[in-house]
Order: sequence, then structure tokens, then C-alpha cells
Amino acid sequence: DGGITQSPKYLFRKEGQNVTLSCEQNLNHDAMYWYRQDPGQGLRLIYYSQIVNDFQKGDIAEGYSVSREKKESFPLTVTSAQKNPTAFYLCASSIGYGNNYGYTFGSGTRLTVV
Amino acid sequence: AQTVTQSQPEMSVQEAETVTLSCTYDTSESDYYLFWYKQPPSRQMILVIRQEAYKQQNATENRFSVNFQKAAKSFSLKISDSQLGDAAMYFCAYRSALRAGSYQLTFGKGTKLSVIP
Repeated sequence: DGGITQSPKYLFRKEGQNVTLSCEQNLNHDAMYWYRQDPGQGLRLIYYSQIVNDFQKGDIAEGYSVSREKKESFPLTVTSAQKNPTAFYLCASSIGYGNNYGYTFGSGTRLTVV
Repeated sequence: AQTVTQSQPEMSVQEAETVTLSCTYDTSESDYYLFWYKQPPSRQMILVIRQEAYKQQNATENRFSVNFQKAAKSFSLKISDSQLGDAAMYFCAYRSALRAGSYQLTFGKGTKLSVIP
């Protein structure tokens, strides 16, 4: 079945460490996104990518980095520069521009700083 | 920039009753899409219903329907015959249909719906 796989489900990071969250899709979708979810804040866009080897900053990109070397994969690195990384991270994908389809979401990664 | 506002952080409904969740948005665009997403305790985001701005007819999906008022920039979700499985966070979202590369969804902060047996 087609879908989006995020791993790991839970991730613990020590202060000063970089960690990478995985996101893989087999839907043949062009666009992929990373959102951060905090209680009472809704979903805030971190980065998005419309095509391979191209990505754009979202509203809260500071302290994060991404790559898009393959259509299927869009990993997110939470760097030590991100001062408050504890949150729930959602990856999503969509077919592309000019249609009424929403996103397909992964099941999320819960990141906790210890 | 577009903004989406959900003014009800929490709501509750009796099982089998009807509840309406509010959503307003701010945009200068004439063509766009609106969505309602459900996030149950599992935290998996599920698309509930979508509406194209150029369509005057309100979208319906089984027990879920919307009241789309384009002039008022309002997009409320009505859940009829509420069931225990409807308990979740509900997010309203906006997506432009005009701008090149306008793939992004802008979300509201969500409404937590509780269903009382």
C-alpha cells in the first residue's frame, strides 16, 4: 500500500546533538513538507520541497536543515542550533500545484530533549 | 500571508447530537481550497472534507458537512450524529490555488472535540 513512513516514532536527543528524522513516501508525490506541532500552536511549516534537489524555508526553519536527493525521501535534521526542539514532527506529501488534494501525512515522530 | 483562525480551542458534544466547529480565514485571493483535518489520539492526520472556493455548493461527506460562506471568509464543519470515534483535534486549513508553487497548507490552531457518551 502507498503511504508515508516516518521513523523513528520516538526520538531522544541530548543537548548539543544533531538528530535526523526520516520521511519516505511511495506515492510518487512531487511535494513534501515538514511541520512541527506544539500544544496550542497548531501545525507550523518548517521546510518544504516541490522537486528533487530543491527546497524552501517555511515559517520556522531556524535550527533545522533538510535535503531532497530522491523524490521519495525528505529527511529533516534538527541541529543543536534549535533551542527548543521538543515537539511532535509531521511529514507530509502532496501531488502538486493546481489541484484540490490535501496532504497525505505520516504518523509522526515525537522528539524529546533529555 | 494567509491566516486561519479557529476560535474554539475546545468543544464537547453529546453522542448522537450535532456539533459545529468554526473556522475563519483571511485572504485576498479569489481561488483557493479549504480543508478540515482530524487528528485522533493516535496523532495520525486524516482528511475529513475539502471545499473548492469556486464551488458554491457546500461539500458533504457522510455525517460531515461544511457551511462555506466565501464573502464572510467562513468555513465551519458540522458533524451530525456524533460518535465516540469523532473525538479528536480538528484542524481547518487553507491552500492557495493561484500562486505557482503554492502547495503549502496553512493550518489553524485546532479545536479539541470531546464526545460525551
